[in-house]
Amino acid sequence: AQSVAQPEDQVNVAEGNPLTVKCTYSVSGNPYLFWYVQYPNRGLQFLLKYITGDNLVKGSYGFEAEFNKSQTSFHLKKPSALVSDSALYFCAVRDGRKLVFGTGTRLLVSP
Amino acid sequence: SAVISQKPSRDICQRGTSLTIQCQVDSQVTMMFWYRQQPGQSLTLIATANQGSEATYESGFVIDKFPISRPNLTFSTLTVSNMSPEDSSIYLCSVVFRGGIDEQFFGPGTRLTVL
Repeated sequence: AQSVAQPEDQVNVAEGNPLTVKCTYSVSGNPYLFWYVQYPNRGLQFLLKYITGDNLVKGSYGFEAEFNKSQTSFHLKKPSALVSDSALYFCAVRDGRKLVFGTGTRLLVSP
Repeated sequence: SAVISQKPSRDICQRGTSLTIQCQVDSQVTMMFWYRQQPGQSLTLIATANQGSEATYESGFVIDKFPISRPNLTFSTLTVSNMSPEDSSIYLCSVVFRGGIDEQFFGPGTRLTVL
């Protein structure tokens, strides 16, 4: 079965600094990978996906993710964090027609 | 952009009762799903809602507990039956839009508390 792991429960970063939220995957075949964000009391919002092609994927709100096949990773990045980026971030992998989610990483951006 | 709505947005229910959650989309979709997010946890797929036929349930979820209907392309319901406090969760529907490829888009969720 396909799976993803998010090794960090929480990431703290100061506003203006670069941020990275880590995700590793375990799949058979080619991975279809996704990042979602969940703001308090709201549903999940799609950020970006990797299906094939360039290893650097650009998404919403200035986020990007780097697909690394040798390290089986798909880390989420942003060059300059904003306080409003504080939220819960989920990595996911497609398994058949469904999505399998990681445990989530809470990002706290301090002013 | 398309809108996915869920009703109710939240509810507090007594154990032993049932609650039906509605998911409505304003565009045609190819697939609809129901997920559960238990407090402080990640999302777990309950089932795929199939139009005009029985839903496809994931391991650990059964139709008697979570009956699902999808009478047309843009509407689905999930019922949480004979509720217990362990059913307290956020329930989310998600869709794949017609013309979309892989990404699922989620409704705002229904926050259920069972006393």
